[in-house]
Amino acid sequence: NAGVTQTPKFQVLKTGQSMTLQCAQDMNHNSMYWYRQDPGMGLRLIYYSASEGTTDKGEVPNGYNVSRLNKREFSLRLESAAPSQTSVYFCASRTSGGAYGTQYFGPGTRLTVL
Amino acid sequence: DAKTTQPNSMESNEEEPVHLPCNHSTISGTDYIHWYRQLPSQGPEYVIHGLTSNVNNRMASLAIAEDRKSSTLILHRATLRDAAVYYCIRGGNTPLVFGKGTRLSVIA
Repeated sequence: NAGVTQTPKFQVLKTGQSMTLQCAQDMNHNSMYWYRQDPGMGLRLIYYSASEGTTDKGEVPNGYNVSRLNKREFSLRLESAAPSQTSVYFCASRTSGGAYGTQYFGPGTRLTVL
Repeated sequence: DAKTTQPNSMESNEEEPVHLPCNHSTISGTDYIHWYRQLPSQGPEYVIHGLTSNVNNRMASLAIAEDRKSSTLILHRATLRDAAVYYCIRGGNTPLVFGKGTRLSVIA
């Protein structure tokens, strides 16, 4: 049981390049999330998917797109990377059950945009 | 808006108990109180959660005030491995919102 996995672990992009961050979970969770964390800050929600086939914007969605490929996989795409998107990106999934559901996080992707 | 208030940092001696406070004065009746922690260079991990009554698990205890406007995470014997940022979160049926948390330092 691997939990939540993310690829790649590290990435360096030039301004304007595009890339997709991959996330997969093997816990049969309905909900999945993408957060970003800037140095010294808490996590900010980018997008989430409450169930397969649905996606919703979070606090900071500009510059990102997401795809819930199936129940296991939730990808985050940067179409035209900017230096302001330099951050650590965390994917998470959550047990169902509403307000008491527990979130499980991946190890993160450290992205630098030059 | 994390909707909770925590001290920026706290310090503890190794093998001493640690009490991490959190204020959530506007909590609704159906919101749970969740605690997560983030070790250096890792993603956050679940610690404990509760609704009204105190909760215990292998990692920690959660003491919830009778009016639910505040709570305290208790680590019974801090170890060096407990040095982390601890997040207190009001959890409804929406994505969890993480504030800046409390950075706990443990001194050997």
